[in-house]
Amino acid sequence: KQEVTQIPAALSVPEGENLVLNCSFTDSAIYNLQWFRQDPGKGLTSLLLIQSSQREQTSGRLNASLDKSSGRSTLYIAASQPGDSATYLCAISGNTPLVFGKGTRLSVIA
Amino acid sequence: DTEVTQTPKHLVMGMTNKKSLKCEQHMGHRAMYWYKQKAKKPPELMFVYSYEKLSINESVPSRFSPECPNSSLLNLHLHALQPEDSALYLCASSATGLNEKLFFGSGTQLSVL
Repeated sequence: KQEVTQIPAALSVPEGENLVLNCSFTDSAIYNLQWFRQDPGKGLTSLLLIQSSQREQTSGRLNASLDKSSGRSTLYIAASQPGDSATYLCAISGNTPLVFGKGTRLSVIA
Repeated sequence: DTEVTQTPKHLVMGMTNKKSLKCEQHMGHRAMYWYKQKAKKPPELMFVYSYEKLSINESVPSRFSPECPNSSLLNLHLHALQPEDSALYLCASSATGLNEKLFFGSGTQLSVL
């Protein structure tokens, strides 16, 4: 059974810092990995999707990497802004429906 | 249009009420999903519809009844809910199946009294 772990559970950084969020998974037989953002009481917004054959994806200030062999993904956020404050979830698609991690709650302090 | 629209945004209901949640998308997606999310927890899959047919039911109690009237609409009928069913209910869609980018609606915040 796929298990997804996100570390840290919460993170607080000053504005302008670069930061890394981590996601690990136990079963490397995946189709893809998605990173989502969720604001309090709202739905999820898909940020990046990395196919199992890819190593990384970039969108603006965000860069996500995937290392299937070690069961790890990272989400790199450059030059963080207060508007980046949200919960970030990674989710794995494989032989079972999407499995979510518990998320990292990010606060960017102005 | 890349939106998934959910109504209502908020719902308060008693344990004897019957209500419905509605979800709509006009992206031509043929897979639609219901998720339940408790506070500070990740979303949990409830149902998946693929080409208007129920393909996955994650052992959800029968007091939750999904319906997919057409390829753009997904309903969740609620009856005799319990207070522990209070949660954010999220609808999502993807182009054809499970292993694709998911588009989520903003959710219905449900409170059962």
